[in-house]
Amino acid sequence: QVQLRESGPGLVKPSQTLSLTCTVSGASIRGGNYYWSWIRHHPGEGLEWIGYIYYSGDTHYSPSLRSRVSISLDTSKNRFSLRLTSVTAADTATYYCARSYSGSSTFDYWGQGTLVTVSS
Amino acid sequence: QSALTQPASVSGSPGQSITISCTGTSSDIGHYNYVSWYQHHPGKAPKLIISAVNNRPSGVSNRFSGSKSGNTASLTISGLQAEDEADYYCGSYTTKELLAVFGGGTRLTVL
Repeated sequence: QVQLRESGPGLVKPSQTLSLTCTVSGASIRGGNYYWSWIRHHPGEGLEWIGYIYYSGDTHYSPSLRSRVSISLDTSKNRFSLRLTSVTAADTATYYCARSYSGSSTFDYWGQGTLVTVSS
Repeated sequence: QSALTQPASVSGSPGQSITISCTGTSSDIGHYNYVSWYQHHPGKAPKLIISAVNNRPSGVSNRFSGSKSGNTASLTISGLQAEDEADYYCGSYTTKELLAVFGGGTRLTVL
C-alpha cells in the first residue's frame, strides 16, 4: 500500500522559507513513471497545484509560484521536499504531497496534509 | 478563486442520489477527458474516486459515477450512505502551464 506523509514546521514567519518533506512508503520514487507533486489548500478555497518532480530530477512549477518554489528529491530516503521562499500570510494553507502517473493530472495517492501558518 | 466551479454544498437523505457539478472552460474540462474526483474526509488523505471522467479505481464503490458534457463534469453518488459525508473535489488537466486545476470543493451532508 502506497503511503505519503508530510512533515515540517507548522509555523513560519513572514519573509522566511517554508520547508516541507514528503516521505513515501510502499513505492520507490526512483521507480519512474510517476510525478511527485505538492498541492495546497487555502482555508475556504480550492486546491492549488504547486509543482512536481520526476524521478530524473526534472521539475515543473506553477507559473504563479515559480519564482519562489523549488522541489527536490532525496532518493536515499525515498522522499521529496518543497521549499517556498519569501512567504506571506497568503501562503498559509494545508500542504499535501501526492502522486500521479507521469503526464497525468490524476493523483492516485495523497498524504494527509500538514497545516502551515505564516505568522510572526 | 478556484479554476473550476463547484457548488459549496449539497445534501441528501440515506438511499437517495445526489449529483455534484464541476464547471470549467474549453481550456480544461471542455478540452480533455481527464476529469478526476476526490473524496476528502477532514484529517485524512484525499481519496481518488473517479478518473478520466468516469473510471472507478479498484475498490471504489459502484455507487460513484462520473460524466461530462461540454465544459461541465458531474459526480453522482447513488444510494447515499452516512459514510459518504465528506468534501468532494474535482480536478482536470489543462492547456495552461499547470499539471492540474481543481474546484473549490463541495461539502456533502447526509441528512
